[in-house]
Amino acid sequence: GAVVSQHPSWVICKSGTSVKIECRSLDFQATTMFWYRQFPKQSLMLMATSNEGSKATYEQGVEKDKFLINHASLTLSTLTVTSAHPEDSSFYICSASNWGGTDTQYFGPGTRLTVL
Amino acid sequence: GIQVEQSPPDLILQEGANSTLRCNFSDSVNNLQWFHQNPWGQLINLFYIPSGTKQNGRLSATTVATERYSLLYISSSQTTDSGVYFCAVVRGTYKYIFGTGTRLKVLA
Repeated sequence: GAVVSQHPSWVICKSGTSVKIECRSLDFQATTMFWYRQFPKQSLMLMATSNEGSKATYEQGVEKDKFLINHASLTLSTLTVTSAHPEDSSFYICSASNWGGTDTQYFGPGTRLTVL
Repeated sequence: GIQVEQSPPDLILQEGANSTLRCNFSDSVNNLQWFHQNPWGQLINLFYIPSGTKQNGRLSATTVATERYSLLYISSSQTTDSGVYFCAVVRGTYKYIFGTGTRLKVLA
């Protein structure tokens, strides 16, 4: 149980285009989803927290107009990188939680974004 | 904010060897988890351990919350143990703060 999927697993796009990444909880309802970014050989950094049906909360330094997050249902959250630039190239990981008595988060497999 | 430091940053072992990874955190926490990130990037949850000791096969973990550290023990290491090990702490707002990571390579 507690499986989280991401799609696509990798994507290459041209500079200036927008890219959408999906995060789905497959066998549980996720009241809260989190988006992380990981640069090569670095740790995971939290970008934003989203709750179903409400606006995402962004961490300090993360541009909310560039990284659009939509948590439309209890099983789906999307991250859209708008007007992508090469410096946005990174590994994006989502996680989901249903707060079932613990604060455990379940992580997706990640999406590798390369912007040319 | 809270700082989470892991040591050593890099570790190379011969297959069959034992190792201890350490996670130090600068303030009290509600929760601590250990993860293994495999070469494809997937994070695998190893332990949910805000305090005490847990064991799962060749892996065990101990958290001493009052002294603000946690240890992950790997015994009889295998090549499949290679990857990056992260600890992550939760404080107050249910946000995970990840440590700096330990990159482990196990040689056959």
